[in-house]
Amino acid sequence: GNSVTQMEGPVTLSEEAFLTINCTYTATGYPSLFWYVQYPGEGLQLLLKATKADDKGSNKGFEATYRKETTSFHLEKGSVQVSDSAVYFCALRYQGGKLIFGQGTELSVKP
Amino acid sequence: DVKVTQSSRYLVKRTGEKVFLECVQDMDHENMFWYRQDPGLGLRLIYFSYDVKMKEKGDIPEGYSVSREKKERFSLILESASTNQTSMYLCASRTTGTGEDNEQFFGPGTRLTVL
Repeated sequence: GNSVTQMEGPVTLSEEAFLTINCTYTATGYPSLFWYVQYPGEGLQLLLKATKADDKGSNKGFEATYRKETTSFHLEKGSVQVSDSAVYFCALRYQGGKLIFGQGTELSVKP
Repeated sequence: DVKVTQSSRYLVKRTGEKVFLECVQDMDHENMFWYRQDPGLGLRLIYFSYDVKMKEKGDIPEGYSVSREKKERFSLILESASTNQTSMYLCASRTTGTGEDNEQFFGPGTRLTVL
């Protein structure tokens, strides 16, 4: 079946550090992949997406590349800010518009 | 701006009570979803609705039902609340226009505690 696995958190970084949050998936076919972000006290917001192999999604300095050969969609940012502190969810789309989410990774950025 | 609103941010109920969680979206979206969010488990789909009066079970529908009588409103019902239904509940909506990769827009969530 379909599943998404993320690296466990929480992840604590200093401001301006490099961020990687790992995400791997299991799926039949070639699903579209997403990263959503949840800021404290809010619902989820779409951060970026990629719809086919080798696509790179990017937004707000975050990037992720759809790697079919490693079934991965790792999230990266070159220099994190305190305002990036949030929970990040990797997800894949299956059967129409439904999504399967990973377990979420909490990021805390210290000044 | 798309807006998805949920009737309560925090709710405390007693075991055995019937609980209604309401979700309203203002963008004429066809699809609506109910998830529960638990630490270490991410979001899990409870029910979704393709359109008015259409509903389908998600991955964890046991103990829940839904109602969608109007396009903008999607209600989640806990027929007899139990302590293991204590969780954060998130509603989302999505348009079907322009393809299947349209994003889901989420409400702020309702944190339900069942005592």
